[in-house]
Amino acid sequence: DIQMTQSPSSLSASVGDRVTITCRASQGISNYLAWYQQKPGKVPKLLIYAASTLQSGVPSRFSGSGSGTDFTLTISSLQPEDVATYYCQKYNSAPWTFGQGTQVEIK
Amino acid sequence: QVQLVQSGAEVKKPGASVKVSCKTSGSTFIGYYVHWVRQAPGQGLEWVGWINPANGGTNYAQNFQGRVTMTRDSSHSTVYMELSRLTSDDTAVYYCARETVSGGTWYPFDYWGQGTLVSVSS
Repeated sequence: DIQMTQSPSSLSASVGDRVTITCRASQGISNYLAWYQQKPGKVPKLLIYAASTLQSGVPSRFSGSGSGTDFTLTISSLQPEDVATYYCQKYNSAPWTFGQGTQVEIK
Repeated sequence: QVQLVQSGAEVKKPGASVKVSCKTSGSTFIGYYVHWVRQAPGQGLEWVGWINPANGGTNYAQNFQGRVTMTRDSSHSTVYMELSRLTSDDTAVYYCARETVSGGTWYPFDYWGQGTLVSVSS
């Protein structure tokens, strides 16, 4: 099975900072990579799919890049409402594996 | 407005089974897969499996093979996930989530149910 590894596992940044989260697949997955945001006590929300396509309604400060095995989620200017755990997910075949998550906090 | 509405919280004893429902509305029942994902307290997301409501086809994660059964009731636009031989490790929030099926390609989970807490305790 393909493993998905995120880094870092947590980060603390100031409002307005640029934040980058990486996700690495143990084998190539083309661009079948999604990013989800899960706020405390809430349901996961789709942010980005096809590695770089912003889901409708998602603020433009979120962006994604990458292909093959290495992917990045960037928040260009961190806002207080972005406090959440972010998960990457491969979705090209079973199993639909998630990364272990990256917890983002405000410094 | 697409909605996936799940059944309520469950408390079960070790060794028992639990059956969680997920009713879809606001879109056709056909044309999507419904996946189940669980999240143990303070932990990450774990994929459990999917069901194709159109034909009842299923695909289960290896960790759950032999213990999980996914079924559907097309007349009520509802899918079910039953997990048997429960242990305390199965205590988690269980989510259903929708994946579009189109054009022979894959899509992520665009709509999620609200989650169902299953607690397993003696």
